[in-house]
Amino acid sequence: GESVGLHLPTLSVQEGDNSIINCAYSNSASDYFIWYKQESGKGPQFIIDIRSNMDKRQGQRVTVLLNKTVKHLSLQIAATQPGDSAVYFCAENQTGGFKTIFGAGTRLFVKA
Amino acid sequence: NAGVTQTPKFRVLKTGQSMTLLCAQDMNHEYMYWYRQDPGMGLRLIHYSVGEGTTAKGEVPDGYNVSRLKKQNFLLGLESAAPSQTSVYFCASSYYPTGGYTFGSGTRLTVV
Repeated sequence: GESVGLHLPTLSVQEGDNSIINCAYSNSASDYFIWYKQESGKGPQFIIDIRSNMDKRQGQRVTVLLNKTVKHLSLQIAATQPGDSAVYFCAENQTGGFKTIFGAGTRLFVKA
Repeated sequence: NAGVTQTPKFRVLKTGQSMTLLCAQDMNHEYMYWYRQDPGMGLRLIHYSVGEGTTAKGEVPDGYNVSRLKKQNFLLGLESAAPSQTSVYFCASSYYPTGGYTFGSGTRLTVV
């Protein structure tokens, strides 16, 4: 069935290292992908998005890569900081609107 | 600019009781959504609205009702609460239907 999943439920990285969070999706009709960050006790916060006509998009310290061939999405965080500790969700918008599917999330731990 | 505000933040209900969760946004967004978040299951769409006076069912609508009488407000009602409705509820809004969402800080509901 259609799903958005994550390869690892938890990821632990050393402060200053780069982090890579992965996500797989199964619906080739999806045309918009979003990464959200959720800190403890807060709602998800938009980080970065990418449309299916792009392979890469960069933001401030974050980069999203989209590989449509293998239906894979990744979020790269450069120079990871303690404030990056959170749960990261990928989300997928189906063509035609409102059916956004969220993955279960990956928890990122940043070690000082 | 408050963004998306949810009230209350916490609530404990007895089985069979009713309550209304309020969501208010001040960004003039057309689209509003109610999600529930359960451990290991990600965010699941309950109901959504594409504009004032409209509502539609999402993935898990049973046991919930919604109303959007004013563009800035989206209410989620539980007519007869059940323990299975114990969850964290998030409201979100967006300018475009496939755009990145702005989430509220959530309501933690426990039904005993």
